[in-house]
Amino acid sequence: DAGVTQSPTHLIKTRGQHVTLRCSPISGHKSVSWYQQVLGQGPQFIFQYYEKEERGRGNFPDRFSARQFPNYSSELNVNALLLGDSALYLCASSFTGAFNEKLFFGSGTQLSVL
Amino acid sequence: GENVEQHPSTLSVQEGDSAVIKCTYSDSASNYFPWYKQELGKGPQLIIDIRSNVGEKKDQRIAVTLNKTAKHFSLHITETQPEDSAVYFCAASNSGGYQKVTFGIGTKLQVIP
Repeated sequence: DAGVTQSPTHLIKTRGQHVTLRCSPISGHKSVSWYQQVLGQGPQFIFQYYEKEERGRGNFPDRFSARQFPNYSSELNVNALLLGDSALYLCASSFTGAFNEKLFFGSGTQLSVL
Repeated sequence: GENVEQHPSTLSVQEGDSAVIKCTYSDSASNYFPWYKQELGKGPQLIIDIRSNVGEKKDQRIAVTLNKTAKHFSLHITETQPEDSAVYFCAASNSGGYQKVTFGIGTKLQVIP
């Protein structure tokens, strides 16, 4: 069975640009979450979506947005990129998104902002 | 919000020895504690988890303990092998309406053959 898949794997952008990252959850999983991992730190929660609805949002500016599609795949959008947005962006999925469910991560998209 | 502290940040052990990673959390409402292993170029992979109604859980060479009173939890790896070398993260989550996992800063474990 395929795990969580993310695309692209690497991306280079310049300040002020916009970026879209994509994620396909494990088959049967209805919840998708996004995390940002800066080098040398643990992942930080950005969003959780379940059944196309935003369930939770972390402490990130409005430049960050996301959506989930009827097939449960998801996109993360970041506008007006800053140098500090350079990080590994991780997508994770679970069955229903309950707080104590196992969370499965993809390999991430490495975003570099120049 | 929740804050998870983890130490040590780096840990080197000889192959066959044990490794221990310790974490503390701040939010008494947290009641689910997963541990993740992250290898270079990959996303975190869940290796074991423990719920607040359990004090200890073991899976082969890996064991986790939880002290809710002290808000401490720890990971023990016995008989370490070179393939155990990776970054390990402790994390915490509570039943606050959605699935938000708060991670520690990570421990880079090196197992020396």
